[in-house]
Amino acid sequence: GAGVSQSPRYKVAKRGQDVALRCDPISGHVSLFWYQQALGQGPEFLTYFQNEAQLDKSGLPSDRFFAERPEGSVSTLKIQRTQQEDSAVYLCASSWEGYGYTFGSGTRLTVV
Amino acid sequence: TQLLEQSPQFLSIQEGENLTVYCNSSSVFSSLQWYRQEPGEGPVLLVTVVTGGEVKKLKRLTFQFGDARKDSSLHITAAQPGDTGLYLCAGARNAGNMLTFGGGTRLMVKP
Repeated sequence: GAGVSQSPRYKVAKRGQDVALRCDPISGHVSLFWYQQALGQGPEFLTYFQNEAQLDKSGLPSDRFFAERPEGSVSTLKIQRTQQEDSAVYLCASSWEGYGYTFGSGTRLTVV
Repeated sequence: TQLLEQSPQFLSIQEGENLTVYCNSSSVFSSLQWYRQEPGEGPVLLVTVVTGGEVKKLKRLTFQFGDARKDSSLHITAAQPGDTGLYLCAGARNAGNMLTFGGGTRLMVKP
């Protein structure tokens, strides 16, 4: 596609519910990144894929967070047993190589 | 603690004024990028600087990478209301690796 597509745009989850956030990167982009952005803050790194390989997951805040990219294209970020502190915008970005990221519009998750 | 410190955090100015946003770190980066983010959208890449001392211009925006590749600045000349947004700097240790973002500078330009 022309850009990075994320779905859903908005998600309201009850505390304890599991959620799955989808990212469809630009076709051919090897690298895919997930970031978490709290209100009024800069994005914070969660995890990074190169093709289907998850090369860095050091930013995932707990073992409730899990990401996958099984075929090296679409990626899913899953959060189990959501808690209020998980409320944030989750951004996905892809990159072919080098320095420029293209971000999606994000998924705004609200845990109530 | 932010690895990249941006200042100021907030800036409200009148149309036509000039401004500078700073991005500082104690770490060396292989490249530094500037993004602009509008509400409800993801950050959009403005520029990438790679070489220490490098200066890039994008219309009324001037970006500079420090000689030691630890800091950067963004200068806007004759700001316009359309410049309003969240400006983010982000550093990369190696090409293709993850970016570390600063906390952002929220700019409001009043007509």
